[in-house]
Amino acid sequence: DVKVTQSSRYLVKRTGEKVFLECVQDMDHENMFWYRQDPGLGLRLIYFSYDVKMKEKGDIPEGYSVSREKKERFSLILESASTNQTSMYLCASSPGRSYEQYFGPGTRLTVT
Amino acid sequence: GENVEQHPSTLSVQEGDSAVIKCTYSDSASNYFPWYKQELGKRPQLIIDIRSNVGEKKDQRIAVTLNKTAKHFSLHITETQPEDSAVYFCAASIQGGGADGLTFGKGTHLIIQP
Repeated sequence: DVKVTQSSRYLVKRTGEKVFLECVQDMDHENMFWYRQDPGLGLRLIYFSYDVKMKEKGDIPEGYSVSREKKERFSLILESASTNQTSMYLCASSPGRSYEQYFGPGTRLTVT
Repeated sequence: GENVEQHPSTLSVQEGDSAVIKCTYSDSASNYFPWYKQELGKRPQLIIDIRSNVGEKKDQRIAVTLNKTAKHFSLHITETQPEDSAVYFCAASIQGGGADGLTFGKGTHLIIQP
């Protein structure tokens, strides 16, 4: 059974803080993704990675960076959090040659 | 880039009736179209997907149809039940080894009235 976990369910940070969101998957998946989910906007792709140390920009990468030092772990970094980054952040992973994406439980980030 | 439009944003149907959710996409190169269901407070989960070499796919009460010429695809749920109440998202991507991220529609809140 695929398991994708995220470090926090809820997080409150102040404007300007550096924020780290961690995602870990235990199924040896090659691909990992970060999305943000906002009411009425659906899920939007921020960044994805298809291999260790590899990263690709998604549709809304501005204000974010990522790190993938190990295959099972994919981190989303907000260098200087802003209020418009208040959102639900969802991590997902998928096997290399399949396409179903398995989602984590999400981190609800509030920036005040 | 790809753009996916989804309609309606809210759909209310009587229990036992059918529900249809429609999506259109913009990039003719897209060839993979999954549907995710997200129950309140839970993570999205894949319920069915279709690839562009197939026009229709069924799984019990759920079916998806694809019209590549018109660039639209639809989710059909028959004999709706209370547990079908959720937000449904369509998505599209270009198959390139599974590494590509999905472009999602904005979601449809399906309400099953008892």
